[in-house]
Amino acid sequence: DAKTTQPNSMESNEEEPVHLPCNHSTISGTDYIHWYRQLPSQGPEYVIHGLTSNVNNRMASLAIAEDRKSSTLILHRATLRDAAVYYCIDYGGSQGNLIFGKGTKLSVKP
Amino acid sequence: AAGVIQSPRHLIKEKRETATLKCYPIPRHDTVYWYQQGPGQDPQFLISFYEKMQSDKGSIPDRFSAQQFSDYHSELNMSSLELGDSALYFCASSSIWGSKANEQFFGPGTRLTVL
Repeated sequence: DAKTTQPNSMESNEEEPVHLPCNHSTISGTDYIHWYRQLPSQGPEYVIHGLTSNVNNRMASLAIAEDRKSSTLILHRATLRDAAVYYCIDYGGSQGNLIFGKGTKLSVKP
Repeated sequence: AAGVIQSPRHLIKEKRETATLKCYPIPRHDTVYWYQQGPGQDPQFLISFYEKMQSDKGSIPDRFSAQQFSDYHSELNMSSLELGDSALYFCASSSIWGSKANEQFFGPGTRLTVL
């Protein structure tokens, strides 16, 4: 079973920031927090990952709580193309598989 | 950049028939994963291979088998198909020599419909 919990859905307006929360209260000290997203009719796509420090890449930012029990994926300016299901995954690494939970369905309004 | 290739993209089969899905990982990726996504469901892990050896197994039915070949491509063989096998099947690949967090790169999927 997935070890993370996320809201079922969120809405955003185009060009506004979006904060997608995730709880992973049972995460172990060595597990990474991964975020993937799945656009309609496509395979999941890697977004970002982190361990302890906040992370930025060209797609998004990841803010990790100091106790690592929660994190927030930040899309700085949502576009219509960002409408997707976003999955937060507690990942143990070592070539292991991904355990997808329910994810958050993000809708972006023009 | 080269991506994961899956074939066929769409497949229609009758109950009790067999199906073979193929996956060609990104060049120099050594690990392949198979996931199943039923209608309205989230992806579920089936099986994975590292360097041509099975590395992990999830909720894969006994009617399914898979292997990874010397050129690293993988095939998922499905026999005695049931209506409930209708789903999207994704293949993903990764490299142990990539980042420590082991990002997986997904293919476009094969949509299997069992009638």
